[in-house]
Amino acid sequence: EVQLVESGGGLVQPGESLRLSCAASDFTFSNYWMSWVRQTPGKGLEWVANVKQDGSEKYYVDSVKGRFTISRDNAKNSLYLQMNSLRAEDTAVYYCARVDGASLGGLSHWYFDLWGRGTLVTVSS
Amino acid sequence: EVVLTQSPGTLSLSPGERATLSCRASHNIGSFLAWYQQKPGQVPRLLIYAASSRATGIPDRFSGSGSGTDFTLTISRLEPEDFAVYYCQQYSGSPWTFGQGTKVEI
Repeated sequence: EVQLVESGGGLVQPGESLRLSCAASDFTFSNYWMSWVRQTPGKGLEWVANVKQDGSEKYYVDSVKGRFTISRDNAKNSLYLQMNSLRAEDTAVYYCARVDGASLGGLSHWYFDLWGRGTLVTVSS
Repeated sequence: EVVLTQSPGTLSLSPGERATLSCRASHNIGSFLAWYQQKPGQVPRLLIYAASSRATGIPDRFSGSGSGTDFTLTISRLEPEDFAVYYCQQYSGSPWTFGQGTKVEI
C-alpha cells in the first residue's frame, strides 16, 4: 500500500530536541520532493519544510530556520525532521507529505498528494 | 509572504445545496493555488490544483476557479460526505501558505 508513516513525536520541554521520522512505502521515494506540514487547532495548517529528491535543496518557513533540519535517506525510503530548541509554539501534529507536480501551460504546479497520519509533538514544561 | 484569507469561516448548508467558498490572496499568485478537504480525524485530501484542475478521483461536483488574488471552490450539490473543513494553499512563492479554512456544516 502506498503510504507514509510518521514516528518520533512526544512530550518535550522547551529548549529540548526531537527527531521525527517518516517511512515511505510502495512508491519510488527518490522521485519526489518531500515536505513536513504541521497543524494546530489555533493556527491551522502550516508548511514547515521541503527537501528536493536528492537532498540538495531545502527550504524552511522562517519560524523554524536555524532550529529545524529536514533530511532524507533515499536508500531507506525515509524522511526526517530534526527539531532543536523547541518552543511551545512548535506544539502541533506534524505530517509528512509527498509533493507531486504537474506541468500546465509551461508552468509547474505543485501539491501535496499523499499525507501520513501525523505524529503529535507537545512542547511544554 | 502571501496571506490567504478564506471566507466565510463557517458555511451552514443542507445536502443538495450549492456551496461557494472563497479564498483571497494578499498578492497576485497567478493560478498557483490548491484546495484540500479535511474531515474530522482524517488528513487533508487534495481536491484541486492549478486553481481549477481536479485531482485524480475527485468527483466533478467539485470545481475551482479564479486567478490572481481571488479564487473560488464550488461544490455544486452537497453530499453528506462533503461536510468538512476546506483549505486553500498557495505555492506561488516561499513560504507556501494555507488559508485558515472554511468549515462546511449541516
